[in-house]
Amino acid sequence: AQKITQTQPGMFVQEKEAVTLDCTYDTSDPSYGLFWYKQPSSGEMIFLIYQGSYDQQNATEGRYSLNFQKARKSANLVISASQLGDSAMYFCAMREGQGAQKLVFGQGTRLTINP
Amino acid sequence: NAGVTQTPKFQVLKTGQSMTLQCAQDMNHEYMSWYRQDPGMGLRLIHYSVGAGITDQGEVPNGYNVSRSTTEDFPLRLLSAAPSQTSVYFCASSYGQVSSEKLFFGSGTQLSVL
Repeated sequence: AQKITQTQPGMFVQEKEAVTLDCTYDTSDPSYGLFWYKQPSSGEMIFLIYQGSYDQQNATEGRYSLNFQKARKSANLVISASQLGDSAMYFCAMREGQGAQKLVFGQGTRLTINP
Repeated sequence: NAGVTQTPKFQVLKTGQSMTLQCAQDMNHEYMSWYRQDPGMGLRLIHYSVGAGITDQGEVPNGYNVSRSTTEDFPLRLLSAAPSQTSVYFCASSYGQVSSEKLFFGSGTQLSVL
């Protein structure tokens, strides 16, 4: 079963608009962490934001925020005031449990910001 | 501050050849791992290690070997390369292995097997 699902293969957004990238997850472990990574065309993986399963508030990091809806098992990334440099692949990922040996990734969403 | 260093950045092999992808980290991280990234499939875990002398298989381990003789280094060996191993390989590390620990990634190795 797919543990992380990103249903948007590609998205096109006008510069300065806000954008939401969808992510749903599947786990029976009460302790887990959700991560978003950005992969620009240069190929490196850049950590953006983290949300813990027990966190009461949605995580925020500058222009990035995570819309965490635990009951719906949803962890959408919101980018406010998008910039041309935000064009990249975005991956949602999950790490489960206290002995979390691996980070499980979704298939990614390619975001293109148009001027 | 080097972080996670991978070498080489690019490699072309012929079917049947062997090679080792190098990975080193200078952050004293206990957890290290190797992922492969194929188009449209996200990143998949090959092997991981939770400390020196301890390794285990991930989701796609066949055709790859690893060892962890030091905390800093975690090489990935392809014993007999196959075209199906054409991919981008990432090494990643974290201080611990709890669910709140983010992974730090190397810059990747693009491998082509002809």
